[in-house]
Amino acid sequence: AQTVTQSQPEMSVQEAETVTLSCTYDTSESDYYLFWYKQPPSRQMILVIRQEAYKQQNATENRFSVNFQKAAKSFSLKISDSQLGDAAMYFCAYKIYSGGGADGLTFGKGTHLIIQP
Amino acid sequence: SQTIHQWPATLVQPVGSPLSLECTVEGTSNPNLYWYRQAAGRGLQLLFYSVGIGQISSEVPQNLSASRPQDRQFILSSKKLLLSDSGFYLCAWSSRPGHPSDGELFFGEGSRLTVL
Repeated sequence: AQTVTQSQPEMSVQEAETVTLSCTYDTSESDYYLFWYKQPPSRQMILVIRQEAYKQQNATENRFSVNFQKAAKSFSLKISDSQLGDAAMYFCAYKIYSGGGADGLTFGKGTHLIIQP
Repeated sequence: SQTIHQWPATLVQPVGSPLSLECTVEGTSNPNLYWYRQAAGRGLQLLFYSVGIGQISSEVPQNLSASRPQDRQFILSSKKLLLSDSGFYLCAWSSRPGHPSDGELFFGEGSRLTVL
């Protein structure tokens, strides 16, 4: 079974600084998706960034970027120029590419990100 | 554009009472639908998923059941709630293969259930 591990229960960063959240996963598959979701206090899950395993180029979305190391099964999220609105729980998630199956995402336990003003 | 709504947002129920959480999706057809439960410090656990009307797959044995009476409607139910059913429940949908968002889940606002 696939597992996703987030080893940092909580991280704290000063506003405007850069922070990196770690994620590792375990799978025997070669085709899959990886995601980072953000859950603010409102509790609604919001997609931050996604990465297809077949793509070697790391995904970026404005201030958010990932470091995808397929061989090491590592998928870290870097947040640059941290803002107060970035404070939230961040979940790393994995999904096998099943070509049409309805397999859900497998989530890590989350990292609580605190932004210090 | 697609939207997903679930209700009620908050629910307080006594042990042994029934449960019904409802979720609807607008702006898309034939979505895959999911129910997740989020417990403190434990991430999100997939409870049920559905690929079509009347088609329900259960990921874990539990006191809950799910139904999909219509294409874009997904219901989470229980006949008799247990204390351990307390938690935050999230409904989600995903598109079919070939869509640019293939693989991504879109979540509802969540429902907080407290069983006393």
